[in-house]
Amino acid sequence: SYELTQPPSVSMSPGQTARITCSGDALPTQYGYWYQQKPGQAPLLVIFKDTERPSGIPERFSGSSSGTTVTLTISGVQAEDEADYYCQSANNDSTSWVFGGGTKLTVL
Amino acid sequence: QVQLVESGGGVVQPGRSLRLSCGASGFTFSGHAMHWVRQAPGKGLEWVAVISSHATNKYYADSVKGRFTISRDNSMNTVYLQMNSLRREDTAVYFCARRAATDGSLDYWGQGTLVTVSS
Repeated sequence: SYELTQPPSVSMSPGQTARITCSGDALPTQYGYWYQQKPGQAPLLVIFKDTERPSGIPERFSGSSSGTTVTLTISGVQAEDEADYYCQSANNDSTSWVFGGGTKLTVL
Repeated sequence: QVQLVESGGGVVQPGRSLRLSCGASGFTFSGHAMHWVRQAPGKGLEWVAVISSHATNKYYADSVKGRFTISRDNSMNTVYLQMNSLRREDTAVYFCARRAATDGSLDYWGQGTLVTVSS
């Protein structure tokens, strides 16, 4: 079955730039999406179609794509950004959706 | 505003069935595909199933194929997940989520309903 691979954890000090990667074989042909989830809450969409930011999401959140990897970048990390981040995409024929294993961002 | 409210969770014995519902409001329900996503305690998100806007297409994760059925009633603005032959590993919070109109993102989510499979 199709898989997306993320690092399990990333630690940053406030003001630093955090980069979270997500790798998958279908990413050259399928968009990547990113969700933020804080404890006890539903996930929140922060990046769609690799690079687009929904209204209301701070500008410090951005996305990029290169080959089989999509990347979520948080420029100037703030304490409120501490959360789990999940990438999501689909397989090549869009019959199966998948989430990465999640990356826990800790703001030191 | 867009709202998704799940219901139907609870404690159920292994091998039994449960039906989850997700009521939608604040948008044209029949214009969107709908997903179910689950999260086992302390674990990551797992995609479960999707149904197209008029129920023409339905797809399932391998882990639930043949046991779970997704359906919808556009007149009631509700999507369902019928779960049969439940296993302990199906224990999770189940979220319904709306697929965005123009891309594959899940742009709105409910707060989830907890299903516990235990004897």
